[in-house]
Amino acid sequence: EDKVVQSPLSLVVHEGDTVTLNCSYEVTNFRSLLWYKQEKKAPTFLFMLTSSGIEKKSGRLSSILDKKELFSILNITATQTGDSAIYLCAANNNAGNMLTFGGGTRLMVKP
Amino acid sequence: NAGVTQTPKFQVLKTGQSMTLQCAQDMNHEYMSWYRQDPGMGLRLIHYSVGAGITDQGEVPNGYNVSRSTTEDFPLRLLSAAPSQTSVYFCASSKTGAGVGKLFFGSGTQLSVL
Repeated sequence: EDKVVQSPLSLVVHEGDTVTLNCSYEVTNFRSLLWYKQEKKAPTFLFMLTSSGIEKKSGRLSSILDKKELFSILNITATQTGDSAIYLCAANNNAGNMLTFGGGTRLMVKP
Repeated sequence: NAGVTQTPKFQVLKTGQSMTLQCAQDMNHEYMSWYRQDPGMGLRLIHYSVGAGITDQGEVPNGYNVSRSTTEDFPLRLLSAAPSQTSVYFCASSKTGAGVGKLFFGSGTQLSVL
């Protein structure tokens, strides 16, 4: 059974801090790992990672995948209150039709 | 550009009632899926479809039916609602398989079963 585990469950930081969110996975015939941000309602896509060691970056957010150790991290630098959300990671198997999501990390950024 | 549209946004049912959650997308996506989200459990896949006339089960399919008669629509039917089906439901679509492209999510349906 495919499994994705995220840590920590929740995190409270102050504006300007840097945070690292973790995602480990056990997926048969792994294909890709995706990160989503969920603020109030629908999750929105952040990154899709398929290759080890290649950092994907978007503004203050970046993510990297380690296929040997089976994990990914999402970094957020210079956090802002608008970064407060639940961050979800999901792993995709080789069939490509099913995503297995982790339980999410709830991030709160205080002013 | 509407994207993925889900209705209703909120619904309260009594145990044993049936209902259909509607999902429509206007992006000509081949792949559509239904997830439920429970506190601390992330999103769990209920059913998915890779094209009109093709559906398959996800991780938690029991108690739910789907059909895909058109590319645009992918309704989710609760056959006989149970309190364990109280959850937030999301419909999501993608251009091709879930791993090939990013998923676009609807705004969700908050369902309570009493």
